[in-house]
Amino acid sequence: SAVISQKPSRDICQRGTSLTIQCQVDSQVTMMFWYRQQPGQSLTLIATANQGSEATYESGFVIDKFPISRPNLTFSTLTVSNMSPEDSSIYLCSASHPSGTRINNEQFFGPGTRLTVL
Amino acid sequence: GNSVTQMEGPVTLSEEAFLTINCTYTATGYPSLFWYVQYPGEGLQLLLKATKADDKGSNKGFEATYRKETTSFHLEKGSVQVSDSAVYFCALRGSGGSNYKLTFGKGTLLTVNP
Repeated sequence: SAVISQKPSRDICQRGTSLTIQCQVDSQVTMMFWYRQQPGQSLTLIATANQGSEATYESGFVIDKFPISRPNLTFSTLTVSNMSPEDSSIYLCSASHPSGTRINNEQFFGPGTRLTVL
Repeated sequence: GNSVTQMEGPVTLSEEAFLTINCTYTATGYPSLFWYVQYPGEGLQLLLKATKADDKGSNKGFEATYRKETTSFHLEKGSVQVSDSAVYFCALRGSGGSNYKLTFGKGTLLTVNP
């Protein structure tokens, strides 16, 4: 298994500012993901963070708004840029352990970062 | 595209009651199906999974059977405990080229009272 930590656990930010969320995994993992969980909604995949290359964004999410870094196999950051109240959400980091075949890889999740934008 | 529909909550039960949370899905091919649980203040944890039709996933007294004919993966537990209070998410992972991506349902909040 993989243990994932995120910082900060929560934050309250002003409109127009940016926040960088850090995700640390206790072992090397092939794939890392960033999800958004809006109040009362399901988890939505923002992007897949690829080590050594650009992140792959899902429809509706763009790099200018959600820049992502993946400097090594255990760490990633997500920045929420130029925030508005609509960005208030829980942001979750996830990682897929490299053991086994891809189709059987379990995804592990961090505790999330609860962001409130005023 | 893939989608997951699960029973809307909240669900409130007394301790030792029987639990069912319905989950149906839409997907092409042969997806893998999952139930995740999120306890208050924590991240999602995998509760159980099934990777092919008629498989039954089970863990901590919870069970779910992959029913391809009804495209369902309902979660059941015979006797719930207060400690089972959490949000439960049904999810699927497709069998196509992007088979690492998870599609989640909206989640069902379960509260178990003593």
